[in-house]
Amino acid sequence: NAGVMQNPRHLVRRRGQEARLRCSPMKGHSHVYWYRQLPEEGLKFMVYLQKENIIDESGMPKERFSAEFPKEGPSILRIQQVVRGDSAAYFCASSPTELYRANTGELFFGEGSRLTVL
Amino acid sequence: SQKIEQNSEALNIQEGKTATLTCNYTNYSPAYLQWYRQDPGRGPVFLLLIRENEKEKRKERLKVTFDTTLKQSLFHITASQPADSATYLCAPEGDSSYKLIFGSGTRLLVRP
Repeated sequence: NAGVMQNPRHLVRRRGQEARLRCSPMKGHSHVYWYRQLPEEGLKFMVYLQKENIIDESGMPKERFSAEFPKEGPSILRIQQVVRGDSAAYFCASSPTELYRANTGELFFGEGSRLTVL
Repeated sequence: SQKIEQNSEALNIQEGKTATLTCNYTNYSPAYLQWYRQDPGRGPVFLLLIRENEKEKRKERLKVTFDTTLKQSLFHITASQPADSATYLCAPEGDSSYKLIFGSGTRLLVRP
């Protein structure tokens, strides 16, 4: 059973370009969460999605950032017109059901996508 | 606002000793708290979950306590090994049951 798959693992963009980060949850998981980790900081919640629905995007900047989880295919985190401050590691996690009701409550994380903005 | 504090200084211990990591939280009362391990360049890996009505949880050489009065969780690794060297993240529940608030982590170094 493959784990959470994220790609690309590393992405370099110049200021003003677009970054697209993809996440395929574990098989059988229908809930996806995106977290951002800045250097020397903890992971910060960005957005929670179920298939075709955004449940909570309260942690996502209002401009330039968007996320989707279509009926078919991976979840996508899209950052338009990137700036240097967007440089970070972006982690996707999945759970089989809403986090708190899962048997163990654990989140399964991918290995992350590291975005560098020049 | 909710705040999570973990010791930012690395913990350096001798193999075989017990490592104890501290997580303090303020301004709220989470219903559960999780601990994760993160290796350099990798994603966090779940270790243990403890709920507010549990004082202590154990898994092999790991033990977690949850003191809701002190607003503190302690994470212990007994008989530590060099392979335990990593960053350990404390993650209490956030303002919604599906959110976790992560501390910045404590780096553990176990010397052979």
